[in-house]
Amino acid sequence: ETGVTQTPRHLVMGMTNKKSLKCEQHLGHNAMYWYKQSAKKPLELMFVYNFKEQTENNSVPSRFSPECPNSSHLFLHLHTLQPEDSALYLCASSQAREGYEQYFGPGTRLTVT
Amino acid sequence: AQKVTQAQTEISVVEKEDVTLDCVYETRDTTYYLFWYKQPPSGELVFLIRRNSFDEQNEISGRYSWNFQKSTSSFNFTITASQVVDSAVYFCALSVLDTGRRALTFGSGTRLQVQP
Repeated sequence: ETGVTQTPRHLVMGMTNKKSLKCEQHLGHNAMYWYKQSAKKPLELMFVYNFKEQTENNSVPSRFSPECPNSSHLFLHLHTLQPEDSALYLCASSQAREGYEQYFGPGTRLTVT
Repeated sequence: AQKVTQAQTEISVVEKEDVTLDCVYETRDTTYYLFWYKQPPSGELVFLIRRNSFDEQNEISGRYSWNFQKSTSSFNFTITASQVVDSAVYFCALSVLDTGRRALTFGSGTRLQVQP
């Protein structure tokens, strides 16, 4: 596969469930990102990882827990979510240097019931 | 702090019309990068262009062209002879060389609908 892949593409979960989103990049990048895109809201940065180290947490609630085991994989662990967490979650990767474009995956459409 | 404003929420044109999407940015940094992304209905953001703050040359790629003007802090995007496949949400974004922060600041997007 090429580019940035995300699984699952769609996820419906109850507020008491625990689930994980997976992102994998095949571009040789060393920086990975999670973004949240809600209806009628700008893209919101959630987390940034550079060389597997978390370098940014944009005041994200603890019910979202990221994990970056290596530079190619990024996870977002979800637990006890709220209905307002329903959104499109986008993963991106880039060169770990300033100014480089980010390449995005297709996203996971999450619905919390 | 950085900010990107895309004042046009939605634009509707008829196929073959030219259309310009506006982007105005704010930053105090002298070194920064500007980007345009396209988000078709499938959801994936597609990278279109990157421009650094020291390069004010306009760029043309097929039917797409970009006009970067530092004097007005604008980075506008023009689609010539629009096609139905151009229908998407277009995002302008900004990145600054700020202590290693690599995240992009996105505008709110402009939804372009091209009618046949």
